[in-house]
Amino acid sequence: DTAVSQTPKYLVTQMGNDKSIKCEQNLGHDTMYWYKQDSKKFLKIMFSYNNKELIINETVPNRFSPKSPDKAHLNLHINSLELGDSAVYFCASSQMTGPYEQYFGPGTRLTVT
Amino acid sequence: QKEVEQDPGPLSVPEGAIVSLNCTYSNSAFQYFMWYRQYSRKGPELLMYTYSSGNKEDGRFTAQVDKSSKYISLFIRDSQPSDSATYLCAMSADFGNEKLTFGTGTRLTIIP
Repeated sequence: DTAVSQTPKYLVTQMGNDKSIKCEQNLGHDTMYWYKQDSKKFLKIMFSYNNKELIINETVPNRFSPKSPDKAHLNLHINSLELGDSAVYFCASSQMTGPYEQYFGPGTRLTVT
Repeated sequence: QKEVEQDPGPLSVPEGAIVSLNCTYSNSAFQYFMWYRQYSRKGPELLMYTYSSGNKEDGRFTAQVDKSSKYISLFIRDSQPSDSATYLCAMSADFGNEKLTFGTGTRLTIIP
């Protein structure tokens, strides 16, 4: 009965490749997020979707493109991977009308070589 | 300068000690303050959530917010080895799903 799940858990790839990370939540939430956590544990929001509509788009390179096929799924596609993209990517979800808590997935550890 | 500053530690204390974790921030619009706990190789989980200034207690955990000083704290009483984790403060300006701004996290180890 996993609340927020991500696949894959680990992703090792070479520079220049394109990769996708998938996220699914079974909490019935209407809002989903992507966060990036760097090697120093700094967690920074990248995108937020509410009912499949983009509501937060931080300064993220165009190589990153989120896609929300429905409100239970939010995928992240990354084109032309760079060394600096290596990080842990977390998906999270919450309910816009409350309660406020954001539930995080287990993370996807991306290593670009 | 980051919007939210947090001492990265690491912080090691003996079991049973009182732990104090702190964050300072610069954005006076922040009204909602949270503490997340993150175990190694896991996603963050919400521990405490407070609105505006004041204290909030939940078991062994107490969160304090001083908006006049732009300073928040998390106190852990009777610390246990299971409290060993990274603690992240987070803040937002609006209720709901306004973006959270996180501190860099403090790595805490409780020594049995």
